[in-house]
Amino acid sequence: ETGVTQSPTHLIKTRGQQVTLRCSSQSGHNTVSWYQQALGQGPQFIFQYYREEENGRGNFPPRFSGLQFPNYSSELNVNALELDDSALYLCASSSTGSGNTIYFGEGSWLTVV
Amino acid sequence: QQQVKQSPQSLIVQKGGISIINCAYENTAFDYFPWYQQFPGKGPALLIAIRPDVSEKKEGRFTISFNKSAKQFSLHIMDSQPGDSATYFCAASMHQGAQKLVFGQGTRLTINP
Repeated sequence: ETGVTQSPTHLIKTRGQQVTLRCSSQSGHNTVSWYQQALGQGPQFIFQYYREEENGRGNFPPRFSGLQFPNYSSELNVNALELDDSALYLCASSSTGSGNTIYFGEGSWLTVV
Repeated sequence: QQQVKQSPQSLIVQKGGISIINCAYENTAFDYFPWYQQFPGKGPALLIAIRPDVSEKKEGRFTISFNKSAKQFSLHIMDSQPGDSATYFCAASMHQGAQKLVFGQGTRLTINP
């Protein structure tokens, strides 16, 4: 158990809809990152939040957005869903005081139909 | 320059044997190299990690070998067990900026009893 919890675990959405995924980081961790993992591939970095601000972004369009709250929990929002957005979305937490040690949650499986 | 290349894609090893997975990187700014283990339907779990100031790190049956001049690193699993059957990902990140992990493509390891 990493202490990183995500919800929901599975969901199905229709193309064009919007989705919000939630993450609670490990206690003491002030940095949250989101990754997208397509079936059979390695996770791809979406973005990272530190002190409630985006602190780095991967090669994802603006319809992928996020928030970090004062308690370090986070949300990932995806607008105008496309079929290719079907993937496992992973939340990862870390602390600026722990080097690069990053812990992942179990993920949220999103299916877009 | 941001890529991490991992091989082989799949690997079958007999119980008790040694499993070896290799990774190569291009970006010399990478300074943290973790390995993650992922079981079906689960998030990646941190297995072991190394920094480039050492050439080898061992934790139990798992060893990372690191060759800075060749920009390569590998995971060795000694006395491989059926419970080790999973997908393994190497990754790399930089200390500066966002704690962004760049993942390899993954290796599906099967340990035959």
